Amino acid sequence: SQQGEEDPQALSIQEGENATMNCSYKTSINNLQWYRQNSGRGLVHLILIRSNEREKHSGRLRVTLDTSKKSSSLLITASRAADTASYFCATPHGGSQGNLIFGKGTKLSVKP
Amino acid sequence: GAGVSQTPSNKVTEKGKYVELRCDPISGHTALYWYRQSLGQGPEFLIYFQGTGAADDSGLPNDRFFAVRPEGSVSTLKIQRTERGDSAVYLCASSSSRQGNTEAFFGQGTRLTVV
Repeated sequence: SQQGEEDPQALSIQEGENATMNCSYKTSINNLQWYRQNSGRGLVHLILIRSNEREKHSGRLRVTLDTSKKSSSLLITASRAADTASYFCATPHGGSQGNLIFGKGTKLSVKP
Repeated sequence: GAGVSQTPSNKVTEKGKYVELRCDPISGHTALYWYRQSLGQGPEFLIYFQGTGAADDSGLPNDRFFAVRPEGSVSTLKIQRTERGDSAVYLCASSSSRQGNTEAFFGQGTRLTVV
């Protein structure tokens, strides 16, 4: 089963524009993570936001978390062609909170 | 090594054959995870090890799938009597503690094709 659902499924923008991706989840969480994946292979961790945080920044990335709506957003500002990738949100799962459940991802294409 | 290493990077096998996929986690990481990913989908959880023991194997689809981590480091995912539906990229990840609380580091995956 998949806990998070990203929206949109695909996004195409021009270099320099901002890209916003959204994630909704179903159960209570203690944190939410965003990952990036190039070419369908290894994932790279971008940012982790805890349930008591509302916003977090890392370079050109800004993540928000609204636990009342069970949603999060990832904003990439001043996008570059190199940002082209798939982006996934992931949340801890189950009683052990020991593993992450991923959504289906947003495929971002940044055109030069 | 510096990162999570998975071997082989690609594996083609015939339906019904047995395959083993290997994962070398980052040294010192106690937690190790296996996922599989089909085209256009997010990674699907298979199994999670904390040390040598499987802390959560609820994602294994059936008894043809098995994973071990005998010394708490390298792990092997074993698939018996492979089926065409097993074709996917198998991803391994490790973390210094419970993945749910901290960053997970992923390998580049093994692309398994069952023909």
